Amino acid sequence: GAVVSQHPSWVICKSGTSVKIECRSLDFQATTMFWYRQFPKQSLMLMATSNEGSKATYEQGVEKDKFLINHASLTLSTLTVTSAHPEDSSFYICSARDLQGDNQPQHFGDGTRLSIL
Amino acid sequence: GQNIDQPTEMTATEGAIVQINCTYQTSGFNGLFWYQQHAGEAPTFLSYNVLDGLEEKGRFSSFLSRSKGYSYLLLKELQMKDSASYLCAALDSNYQLIWGAGTKLIIKP
Repeated sequence: GAVVSQHPSWVICKSGTSVKIECRSLDFQATTMFWYRQFPKQSLMLMATSNEGSKATYEQGVEKDKFLINHASLTLSTLTVTSAHPEDSSFYICSARDLQGDNQPQHFGDGTRLSIL
Repeated sequence: GQNIDQPTEMTATEGAIVQINCTYQTSGFNGLFWYQQHAGEAPTFLSYNVLDGLEEKGRFSSFLSRSKGYSYLLLKELQMKDSASYLCAALDSNYQLIWGAGTKLIIKP
């Protein structure tokens, strides 16, 4: 149980392109989903907390107009990296927490490797 | 401020036992998680402790002392596939997860 699907796994695209990443909880409902970024050999960095039916909460230093988050249902959140540039190249990982409780573990998708040329 | 401390790197031998320590300072506390992350992959959930004591799950055990702000992850009968980073994360009073930087565990034959 507690499977989170993240798509796509890899994206390679030109600078200036917008890229959409999907995160789905497959066998549970998630009021809250989280988006992280991880650079090579560095720790996870929380970008934003996505709440179903409301605006996402962004961490300090993360541009909300650059990283658009939509959480339209209890099983789907999307992150759109708008007008991506080489410095946005990173490993983006989503996680979802079962709505049964705030102390439930976060379950992670497999991540998306984004490479901007 | 809120802080999680864990060693940056540890080395152990295949078949042995290793203990990875984690200390935390958070505004309130609603439990502590351990995750495993292999290189190039996303983290996977290992354990959750909210009460003092030891929780055993196969070769892995996790311990918590709330009064000391301390937890450890114990890995027994180490296998080469256990080479990974181990992330400690504490849940604060707002149910925000505060992440440690991770401990890279290197297993040698």
